[in-house]
Amino acid sequence: EDKVVQSPLSLVVHEGDTVTLNCSYEVTNFRSLLWYKQEKKAPTFLFMLTSSGIEKKSGRLSSILDKKELFSILNITATQTGDSAVYLCAVGFGGSGNTPLVFGKGTRLSVIA
Amino acid sequence: GAVVSQHPSRVICKSGTSVKIECRSLDFQATTMFWYRQFPKQSLMLMATSNEGSKATYEQGVEKDKFLINHASLTLSTLTVTSAHPEDSSFYICSARPPGQGTNQPQHFGDGTRLSIL
Repeated sequence: EDKVVQSPLSLVVHEGDTVTLNCSYEVTNFRSLLWYKQEKKAPTFLFMLTSSGIEKKSGRLSSILDKKELFSILNITATQTGDSAVYLCAVGFGGSGNTPLVFGKGTRLSVIA
Repeated sequence: GAVVSQHPSRVICKSGTSVKIECRSLDFQATTMFWYRQFPKQSLMLMATSNEGSKATYEQGVEKDKFLINHASLTLSTLTVTSAHPEDSSFYICSARPPGQGTNQPQHFGDGTRLSIL
């Protein structure tokens, strides 16, 4: 059975802290790993990773994939209260490119001032 | 960028009512759309895959007669929750992936529909 496991499930930090969110997966015919940020509505896309060892970066957020060890991390530096959200890791699989995603349960991040 | 629009954003109705939710791809054609459901503090769970011009594919445990899916055009899929009951109260989200560029396009989500059945 395909599965995606995120840790920790929840995290409380102070503004300015750096956090690392983890995602491990077991899927057949892995194609890509995606990170989304979910606040009150639907998830918004952050990163899509397909190759090992190549860091993707957007402002204070960065992510990297290790296809050998089957995991990814999402780093957020100098956290702000606006970073408070649920961060979802999802894995795409299959060769067609148009298959659904398998989601982890998410990490609920709370950044306090 | 690619945009997926979902409507309505919020529905509150009585038990036994049927509710229709629309999912539109605004600037691309989507032969496939996905419907997910999210219960409070849970992750997104796939309900069904909506295929333009053919029958939807439902995940195990999802009743196809209760959750009717119609994908009548390349930009619109609808999910109808028939005779909804309180246990159907949830957050329903659709997604689609823009075509082209191989498989290197992420799925984009609608804003979701929060359904509350009284």
